[in-house]
Amino acid sequence: EIVMAQSPATLSVSPGERVTLSCRASQSVSSNLAWYQQKPGQAPRLLMFGASARATGTPARFSGSGSGTEFTLTISSLQSEDFAVYYCQQYHNWPPFTFGGGTKVEIK
Amino acid sequence: QVQLQESGPGLVKPSGTLSLTCVVSGGSIRSNDWWNWVRQPPGKGLEWIGEISHSGSTNYNPSLRSRVTISIDKSKNHFSLKMSSLTTADTAVYYCARGRGKYDEWGQGTLVTVSS
Repeated sequence: EIVMAQSPATLSVSPGERVTLSCRASQSVSSNLAWYQQKPGQAPRLLMFGASARATGTPARFSGSGSGTEFTLTISSLQSEDFAVYYCQQYHNWPPFTFGGGTKVEIK
Repeated sequence: QVQLQESGPGLVKPSGTLSLTCVVSGGSIRSNDWWNWVRQPPGKGLEWIGEISHSGSTNYNPSLRSRVTISIDKSKNHFSLKMSSLTTADTAVYYCARGRGKYDEWGQGTLVTVSS
C-alpha cells in the first residue's frame, strides 16, 4: 500500500497570502495524484488531477506540481472561500487508492 | 450534470451489517465510469472502501475486503454497499463518488453510527 503524508497538518494564514501545501508518497506514483478541498459539512471537491491539471471549475490561483514522490499544491493569493482542509490522493497503484491525512488551512 | 445521493440507516448495532445505496441521477450508471464508496470517521481523514464498474467488476480496500460487498443495479441506476461485522470504528460519514482513482462527483454523504 502506498502511504501518503501531508505537511503541515495545519497552516495558519492571512487572506491574500501565498500558500504551499506538501504531499509525499512512500513510493513513486508518477503524476497520478489528485488534490481535494473539503469544507465543514461538505463532501470533498476535486481540485487537481494528474498532479497539475485543474479540474472543472478550479480557479486559476490553484496550481499543482511535482511527480514521483513529492508534490505541491499552491494557492497564489488565499481567498476567504479557500479556508478548508486539503487532501492529496494517489491513483497509481491500487487497491487501495490512498489519501493523505490532510492539511487544514485556517485563518491567522 | 450527474448527481449522487446516498441513503440508508443512520444507526446500526455492533456486529450488524451496514447497507447503503447510492442513486445516480442526471446520467446513466451504464456509462463507462467506476462507482466508489469512501468513508470519513468524525474529525478524521478519508478512506477508500471500494469501487465497481458499470459491468460489475469490483476492487476493494484489502483492509476491508473480507467485510465488504459492492453491487450495482443498472435497472435502478444505483449501486450499493454492504459492510458486515461492524464495530464502533466503522462509525463514519459514508460517501459515494464517481471516477477511477480521481473522483469528480460526490454524494453529500450519510452519517452511519455504530452503537447499541
